[in-house]
Amino acid sequence: DAMVIQNPRYQVTQFGKPVTLSCSQTLNHNVMYWYQQKSSQAPKLLFHYYDKDFNNEADTPDNFQSRRPNTSFCFLDIRSPGLGDAAMYLCATSRDITANEKLFFGSGTQLSVL
Amino acid sequence: AQSVTQPDIHITVSEGASLELRCNYSYGATPYLFWYVQSPGQGLQLLLKYFSGDTLVQGIKGFEAEFKRSQSSFNLRKPSVHWSDAAEYFCAVKTGANNLFFGTGTRLTVIP
Repeated sequence: DAMVIQNPRYQVTQFGKPVTLSCSQTLNHNVMYWYQQKSSQAPKLLFHYYDKDFNNEADTPDNFQSRRPNTSFCFLDIRSPGLGDAAMYLCATSRDITANEKLFFGSGTQLSVL
Repeated sequence: AQSVTQPDIHITVSEGASLELRCNYSYGATPYLFWYVQSPGQGLQLLLKYFSGDTLVQGIKGFEAEFKRSQSSFNLRKPSVHWSDAAEYFCAVKTGANNLFFGTGTRLTVIP
């Protein structure tokens, strides 16, 4: 049974047209993460939520926002997608924020920007 | 600052042959070390992790990894590779902070 679910699996948007990616979890974990993975590159952390506390990585562009309305759901909003934002977006969860906590990943959403 | 290096971008092995994927990390203290596998178009699945204790850790799918502090390495091994092991493999390090730093990955091709 899927524990971290990302929808949609594939998303196509137009240059400059806002897009939202969604992630849900059945693990009741406190922490939810969004990673961006460009082709043939390592996943890169964009931001995370620890409960309701939002933590942005220093180099995450302002174009990327996130919402977490409740424990189970987290959204990634790209306000004005550029061609360079085409990537796989991975959602992950962990029970807590400590270094030894394992991350559980969803299958990702592959975003194309036309 | 912490970093993870996977020196091999692409490795090809024959089915049934042994496998070793290299990973080196840079960090002042003992980090928490992970290996993840990613099949094409999929998310990441944890293979194994090292936190402390026995430096040889066993994971899923017959994989193991050995932590060598003197070499700052955490290489992944499998004695006999199966065609289904073809995937991208990521080594990752987590320190006191909450970020999981990934290496750039090693793509494994398995030939019959």
